[in-house]
Amino acid sequence: SQQGEEDPQALSIQEGENATMNCSYKTSINNLQWYRQNSGRGLVHLILIRSNEREKHSGRLRVTLDTSKKSSSLLITASRAADTASYFCATDAGSARQLTFGSGTQLTVLP
Amino acid sequence: DGGITQSPKYLFRKEGQNVTLSCEQNLNHDAMYWYRQDPGQGLRLIYYSQIVNDFQKGDIAEGYSVSREKKESFPLTVTSAQKNPTAFYLCASTSNRGRDEKLFFGSGTQLSVL
Repeated sequence: SQQGEEDPQALSIQEGENATMNCSYKTSINNLQWYRQNSGRGLVHLILIRSNEREKHSGRLRVTLDTSKKSSSLLITASRAADTASYFCATDAGSARQLTFGSGTQLTVLP
Repeated sequence: DGGITQSPKYLFRKEGQNVTLSCEQNLNHDAMYWYRQDPGQGLRLIYYSQIVNDFQKGDIAEGYSVSREKKESFPLTVTSAQKNPTAFYLCASTSNRGRDEKLFFGSGTQLSVL
């Protein structure tokens, strides 16, 4: 079943601006992960944040996690046209290491 | 180069036909997964396998079958019982040896019905 829900469904920004995507989920988690998918391709892992962490950085990416609100956000700073892709959050809550994916945010960065 | 290879890239199925999607990995990963992705939607889990000769149904296993005879290979068969098979199919793997595992994905197979 779908647990993560991303918001917004689509986001269009100008190059150089920051992009923020949000993810909400329903049950307790071990960790939350963000993935990127270019059109017609497989997903690529971006960043993982554990349930006992509140913020994590990787290059131009910043992820926050609020377990009390069951939500996470992904911030991409100084966006580039090459950042155009769909971004998915995925929650790890099961013992079988199944990840449950949300429906994604389609980000378009205009040059 | 280590990675996951899916083939074919595009596949067409006729009415009543079974088709098999290939997934091979050389990452020495124990766990492998099959997901289905419909346009504009997220991924739904079809089947997964944590070890050779063992696999479990995911959320939408009806109309699909898998095998795991080798660690490197996890083929997915879309049977004639799957009435709406048109979708993008993604295979993934992970090492299954610790917490906080991330998935490595293949490049996908687009299946369409003729």
